[in-house]
Amino acid sequence: GESVGLHLPTLSVQEGDNSIINCAYSNSASDYFIWYKQESGKGPQFIIDIRSNMDKRQGQRVTVLLNKTVKHLSLQIAATQPGDSAVYFCAEPMNSGYSTLTFGKGTMLLVSP
Amino acid sequence: GAVVSQHPSRVICKSGTSVKIECRSLDFQATTMFWYRQFPKQSLMLMATSNEGSKATYEQGVEKDKFLINHASLTLSTLTVTSAHPEDSSFYICSARDAATSGYSYNEQFFGPGTRLTVL
Repeated sequence: GESVGLHLPTLSVQEGDNSIINCAYSNSASDYFIWYKQESGKGPQFIIDIRSNMDKRQGQRVTVLLNKTVKHLSLQIAATQPGDSAVYFCAEPMNSGYSTLTFGKGTMLLVSP
Repeated sequence: GAVVSQHPSRVICKSGTSVKIECRSLDFQATTMFWYRQFPKQSLMLMATSNEGSKATYEQGVEKDKFLINHASLTLSTLTVTSAHPEDSSFYICSARDAATSGYSYNEQFFGPGTRLTVL
């Protein structure tokens, strides 16, 4: 069974709404971040990335905002669709070699028609 | 686009048996592959980094003799869970980094679809 204390944050929205998923990081030296989408029973899928010399980056229906002052980044999804329902993870390199990733805890996004 | 496959997608085995999971890069060469484990409603945890032609690098707390990794070619890495027990039941995911790309960005790392292991 599920251990006490383990909980995947969930964001429930209506189709067409805008969704905002948040991620906090602890290392002020972190300079590169990636957002992944993981649908149920599948591997993670790259969505968008951002370097620390940027505050904002836009993709198709997605925007990532980076606030280095408070060590926070967010993923905004415009006009959320049922197909956006998934778990979203932020990730960052584990070391200066950028060869391995550490993933955040994840947020489950549930989109109702 | 670059595709990574895993086989099998699901496996159920008895306690004490060994299970091999394959990770293949289908249309690119991968000098480095990564193995992750994911428990239900949790994040991905890196287990080890698999390097073609050399020994894998394991993360702290991951038993080398329990999780055997072989990266014998530029397109194939295997993870063998030896003497599996119910607590090894998990979702195992591999990713592969395209050897042809270099530099800064992570969008060259591609994830497989995962393998669901259930140990009875």
